[in-house]
This record gives sequence, structure tokens and C-alpha cells, in this order.
Amino acid sequence: TQLLEQSPQFLSIQEGENLTVYCNSSSVFSSLQWYRQEPGEGPVLLVTVVTGGEVKKLKRLTFQFGDARKDSSLHITAAQPGDTGLYLCAEPYNQGGKLIFGQGTELSVKP
Amino acid sequence: DAEITQSPRHKITETGRQVTLACHQTWNHNNMFWYRQDLGHGLRLIHYSYGVQDTNKGEVSDGYSVSRSNTEDLPLTLESAASSQTSVYFCASSESSGHVGIQYFGAGTRLSVL
Repeated sequence: TQLLEQSPQFLSIQEGENLTVYCNSSSVFSSLQWYRQEPGEGPVLLVTVVTGGEVKKLKRLTFQFGDARKDSSLHITAAQPGDTGLYLCAEPYNQGGKLIFGQGTELSVKP
Repeated sequence: DAEITQSPRHKITETGRQVTLACHQTWNHNNMFWYRQDLGHGLRLIHYSYGVQDTNKGEVSDGYSVSRSNTEDLPLTLESAASSQTSVYFCASSESSGHVGIQYFGAGTRLSVL
């Protein structure tokens, strides 16, 4: 089974700072999804990246997919307290829409 | 609007008791999944279903069972609850088409086994 490793596991920053979260794999991703989970809620999809080298932006969030499709990053510019939550990367594997998740990065943005 | 709901949101039970967690979706999705979430482990797949009467084991299925009698519901049963099953449980659903499966999650059930 492919392993997804996320780093860092925990991140506590002040409002206005920038940060980057990483997701790495032991083998090539078919595609990669990023989810955000707020406290007391289920994960919600932020973005899907499919093509090596792809960059997608969602307001202050920038998602990159590595050229070799073995890594991905999420960069947040000028973090806000509303960005607080657990960020999960996930890869579809096999058929039928199953996902394998990384262990997540717990982000806390303090005002 | 379509949604996926889990009940109860919180449950406390005793070791050895049978517990059933409900999951109901109105997306009309064929695929449904149950995960558990523990600190440092992300989400781990317990069981999943691709349609009515179809069920499959995930990576952490021991001690759990599911049944799928209709499209909307996939209840998760803990046959004899153990303290190791204290966790937060999430149900999700997705469309059956395509390799890039976007999953829609419920809000979770926090289960404590004492």
C-alpha cells in the first residue's frame, strides 16, 4: 500500500505569516486531493491536482503538484485564523474511488 | 441540498456492548465509506460499499461490520465494543464513475468505549 507522508505534523503560526505544507509519496501519484477539516466537522475537498507540474490557486492557497508526481505542496499566504484546521492530502487508489490519506497537518493560526 | 448525515454525533458505551453508527446520504451515490480518525493516523478505511448488497473490508476492518440494504444508508456495527475502538468515525460517499473520486463526508461520530 502506498504511503503518504505529510509534514509538518503540527504548525502554529501568527496571523499574517506564510506557511507551506508538504505531502510526499513512496511512488508516483495518479492524482492528489487536498482536504481541509475544521474542528468538529468532516473533511471538505479543496482541490484536485492531476498533471505533473500543475499549480492551482484558491484565494490565498496555492497548490503545487511535483513534476514527477511524487510530491505536492500547499502554500498559504498571509494566514488568517479562519485557516485553522487539519489539512489532509489523499490519493485515489485502485478503482472505485477509494482514497488513501496522509496523517494530516494540524494548523493553528493565532490572531 | 444533498447531504450526508451521521448519528449519533456523540456516543458513550461500555466494553462488550454492540453499537451501531448510522450514515445516511441523499446524494444518490453508489459508493459509501467508513473511516476512523485517530491522532497521528489521518483517516483509515474500515469498510466500503459500491452499491446495494455490496460490502468490502478496508485496512482496519476487524471488529466492525456493515450492511447495505439501500442506496442511502450504510450503518456501521461494532459487534463487541473494545476500548481500542474509541475514535472519531466518519462516513463518506462518492459517485461511482471516474478514477478521481471526490468524497463527501459527514460531520462524524465521536465514540468513547469505557
